[in-house]
Amino acid sequence: DTEVTQTPKHLVMGMTNKKSLKCEQHMGHRAMYWYKQKAKKPPELMFVYSYEKLSINESVPSRFSPECPNSSLLNLHLHALQPEDSALYLCASSQGRAPTYEQYFGPGTRLTVT
Amino acid sequence: AQTVTQSQPEMSVQEAETVTLSCTYDTSESDYYLFWYKQPPSRQMILVIRQEAYKQQNATENRFSVNFQKAAKSFSLKISDSQLGDAAMYFCAYYISNFGNEKLTFGTGTRLTIIP
Repeated sequence: DTEVTQTPKHLVMGMTNKKSLKCEQHMGHRAMYWYKQKAKKPPELMFVYSYEKLSINESVPSRFSPECPNSSLLNLHLHALQPEDSALYLCASSQGRAPTYEQYFGPGTRLTVT
Repeated sequence: AQTVTQSQPEMSVQEAETVTLSCTYDTSESDYYLFWYKQPPSRQMILVIRQEAYKQQNATENRFSVNFQKAAKSFSLKISDSQLGDAAMYFCAYYISNFGNEKLTFGTGTRLTIIP
């Protein structure tokens, strides 16, 4: 099973709403990632979790709050977002050790902030 | 900081022909990993091929192969016998396994169109 799942597929939220994105993998990967991708652009790294601990935060605004409840799950809590936060949010996972560092991506959640 | 450059924003190729996508990167490290990812329109990003920098042999995966020139810091992707399903955005990516700095650095992408 090389699948990373993400829910929901689409999300529309107002600027005062609170919502969460969910990501799940059952490959035993020890590293999980959140990316933000704008149209026709490469993914931009937001957060990295390694062994369920936050190891990288790419200076992401506090209105984005990641959480890793266990080694298979990754959440991204959203609050008071801005219209410019509308994007495709991708989750990825990897074994994070040699020789296989490749990341497996989920299908993404397309977020629209109104 | 590492950078990845894809100088071809768009490419097109006739079905069944061969096309090469270019990628160069800048790094001072000697041990790293390079990847090509494919992202079809409105679909999931998937790994096409990977190359370990310590390996001199170029990686191949069926119709996909790379030309890895470590000294020149070049990592091009060749797609042979192009098929309609190859149409996608292709991203070159660089990875280094420093703990606490485990980032995948992407190039800006090349949009590949397959002409029937």
